Amino acid sequence: QKEVEQDPGPLSVPEGAIVSLNCTYSNSAFQYFMWYRQYSRKGPELLMYTYSSGNKEDGRFTAQVDKSSKYISLFIRDSQPSDSATYLCAMHLHQAGTALIFGKGTTLSVSS
Amino acid sequence: KAGVTQTPRYLIKTRGQQVTLSCSPISGHRSVSWYQQTPGQGLQFLFEYFSETQRNKGNFPGRFSGRQFSNSRSEMNVSTLELGDSALYLCASSPWGDSGSYNEQFFGPGTRLTVL
Repeated sequence: QKEVEQDPGPLSVPEGAIVSLNCTYSNSAFQYFMWYRQYSRKGPELLMYTYSSGNKEDGRFTAQVDKSSKYISLFIRDSQPSDSATYLCAMHLHQAGTALIFGKGTTLSVSS
Repeated sequence: KAGVTQTPRYLIKTRGQQVTLSCSPISGHRSVSWYQQTPGQGLQFLFEYFSETQRNKGNFPGRFSGRQFSNSRSEMNVSTLELGDSALYLCASSPWGDSGSYNEQFFGPGTRLTVL
């Protein structure tokens, strides 16, 4: 079992839809949880990060972490065609330096 | 402020050859990490350098190596290339070097390596 599992999709939604992206993980020692967005032929860019459990909101994006279930989510409200990209969840282990453990990514397509 | 730059952007090599990839971090960033991205395995951590020292290493064979220079620029080298080394190699820099806490990592555009 991989440490971080993420459904690769693809996920196709119409413009304006609410999108839900999810990851599960097995290592309860993870403390920081991140969502990255990666456009084609670009490097990943950080969207949001959360420390421990709870919710965090930034504009149309909301990140949720449920450590008891080892489950994290990213919600995108009022999705736009410009949101079409691959979304990667990532996790950080306190004693692992800067190493991040990534999910394989979910490819999202938002049609206008 | 300029972002993370990686050179070259694309590279084609044949099996058995070796390759060197270069990464220039954001000015002032002292930590540089390298990742390999493939469709099958996703993004996997290779190693991290801080102040010219390898501080952390992922689960890759010894054919993968790296170094960091005094100006924080980093190179990674892959010797005796195999077909399975075809991937996007990403470099990420972090502002500072507290290895015990999370530091945001800024990724470069990557080097696309194809091994024939």
